[in-house]
Amino acid sequence: AQSVTQLGSHVSVSEGALVLLRCNYSSSVPPYLFWYVQYPNQGLQLLLKYTSAATLVKGINGFEAEFKKSETSFHLTKPSAHMSDAAEYFCAVWREGRRALTFGSGTRLQVQP
Amino acid sequence: DAMVIQNPRYQVTQFGKPVTLSCSQTLNHNVMYWYQQKSSQAPKLLFHYYDKDFNNEADTPDNFQSRRPNTSFCFLDIRSPGLGDAAMYLCATSRDPQISTDTQYFGPGTRLTVL
Repeated sequence: AQSVTQLGSHVSVSEGALVLLRCNYSSSVPPYLFWYVQYPNQGLQLLLKYTSAATLVKGINGFEAEFKKSETSFHLTKPSAHMSDAAEYFCAVWREGRRALTFGSGTRLQVQP
Repeated sequence: DAMVIQNPRYQVTQFGKPVTLSCSQTLNHNVMYWYQQKSSQAPKLLFHYYDKDFNNEADTPDNFQSRRPNTSFCFLDIRSPGLGDAAMYLCATSRDPQISTDTQYFGPGTRLTVL
């Protein structure tokens, strides 16, 4: 069964600093991985997804993620944090055979001025 | 241009009083999902419809039911809400679940309070 683990339930960075949100996956088949963002009292919005076409995936709002099979990781990064990036971020993996996503527990990103 | 619409955004009900949450979509997607998200937790899939085909998750309580009268609408019925059912309920759609990389589009959610 596919699953994802997000390391760090809370991450705090200064405005302009590097953002690094960690996600490790477990899968017996090549995984399809996603990052979603959730702003307070809103639904989830897709940031980016890994479809095996390229290991470095660029998403919206300046975010990107790199698929590393050797490390079973799909960490999300952004070179320079902005105050508007403060939100909850979820890593997710497609569940083969169930036509659905399994989400990680989420990481809340705080951006300090 | 709202694509996945949920009504109401906030719902208050009493313990044991049936409640229905609504979701509609303008995307003409084949699949509609219902997730439950409790405070500071990941969304948890309750069930989904692939066209008229209903797919329940094994651990979804019988208290939760769903209806999809047409492509555009899907309802979540909670027959006898308990205090533990207070949560954000998220509706999502996707075009084709046979495509593993298909994007799910989420609505803004309905926050349910049970008194």
